[in-house]
Amino acid sequence: NAGVTQTPKFQVLKTGQSMTLQCAQDMNHEYMSWYRQDPGMGLRLIHYSVGAGITDQGEVPNGYNVSRSTTEDFPLRLLSAAPSQTSVYFCASSSWTSRRTDTQYFGPGTRLTVL
Amino acid sequence: AQKITQTQPGMFVQEKEAVTLDCTYDTSDQSYGLFWYKQPSSGEMIFLIYQGSYDEQNATEGRYSLNFQKARKSANLVISASQLGDSAMYFCALNQGGKLIFGQGTELSVKP
Repeated sequence: NAGVTQTPKFQVLKTGQSMTLQCAQDMNHEYMSWYRQDPGMGLRLIHYSVGAGITDQGEVPNGYNVSRSTTEDFPLRLLSAAPSQTSVYFCASSSWTSRRTDTQYFGPGTRLTVL
Repeated sequence: AQKITQTQPGMFVQEKEAVTLDCTYDTSDQSYGLFWYKQPSSGEMIFLIYQGSYDEQNATEGRYSLNFQKARKSANLVISASQLGDSAMYFCALNQGGKLIFGQGTELSVKP
């Protein structure tokens, strides 16, 4: 049982490049989400999904796309990277029973630098 | 708007002593969850403890306990018998319909 896994761990991009951050979980969780953490700040929600085929925007969705074709995977796509997207990205998952009280478990994070 | 406030950017505690990390929240919902996460220097987010808004008793998990005062909208984390490995950032988070809203964190340093 690996929990939540993320790849890559580190990535450097040039402005304008695109890439996909991968996230997978093996806990059969319905709910998955992406957060970003900027220096000295807490995490902010980018996008989330409550099941395969269902996604929605969080607090800071601009510049990012997501899709959820399987329960296990929830990739985050940067369409045209900008220096403002330099951050640490965390994927999380949880069951979706009580919605407000389910514990979210986080992956190890991807540290992204955009030059 | 819902929000979480952690007013202590940094705290020091002597090894083996107890420490309280403050967290206040603002929500109009009656049903919500409050969570604490630890982020060591390695960067991962580690779940510590959870409190549901309808729970009558304060949550405890080993050396961690949550001092939940619903009327004051506070959910302070108490760490008893601090250890050197407790040095980390600590984040309080409010669960609103699955969306976690995080505070800015408190950096705890444990002195030997």
